Amino acid sequence: EADIYQTPRYLVIGTGKKITLECSQTMGHDKMYWYQQDPGMELHLIHYSYGVNSTEKGDLSSESTVSRIRTEHFPLTLESARPSHTSQYLCASSELDTQYFGPGTRLTVL
Amino acid sequence: AQKVTQAQTEISVVEKEDVTLDCVYETRDTTYYLFWYKQPPSGELVFLIRRNSFDEQNEISGRYSWNFQKSTSSFNFTITASQVVDSAVYFCALSGNYGQNFVFGPGTRLSVLP
Repeated sequence: EADIYQTPRYLVIGTGKKITLECSQTMGHDKMYWYQQDPGMELHLIHYSYGVNSTEKGDLSSESTVSRIRTEHFPLTLESARPSHTSQYLCASSELDTQYFGPGTRLTVL
Repeated sequence: AQKVTQAQTEISVVEKEDVTLDCVYETRDTTYYLFWYKQPPSGELVFLIRRNSFDEQNEISGRYSWNFQKSTSSFNFTITASQVVDSAVYFCALSGNYGQNFVFGPGTRLSVLP
């Protein structure tokens, strides 16, 4: 099982602010993912990466960006937060087929 | 395209009842993997089980059991003698080989009442 860490766990921020959600994993997994989810609702893939310097957009259009400079680190950035970005953001990693998830970041944009 | 259907949006049971969560999938791959995840109110997504398409043996883990039937493209999850701590949203998921085209179902919210 993977050890995946997300910070912060909770974030309340004002409109227009730039924010970065951190995600790190210690298992050396090549694949990492970001999902957006309203609590208990469907998960929407917004970004994924199959390795260093590789990033792709997911199924759901998102105004966020990601980077993958190191295998263990996959941060997500919102340049200008809006109330519509209020949601839970879940990070996951996988070696082959099974995805393991971090605890999530609950973002509220006022 | 791959697709997972969980027709039960919400289920409520009384503690100690057995409950089955349905999952039906669609795929054109011959090699694929099926998963169940649990999401308690705290929000994290907890991996429960993974099955590959070549292994149709049912699996039991404590009060949890899984029934995989390729003939009906189903991968159902049964909780025996449910407990309040089982209350959560449960997601069924499907992926192709090497984790490609990973897709989640919409989830089933299970409430176990004391």
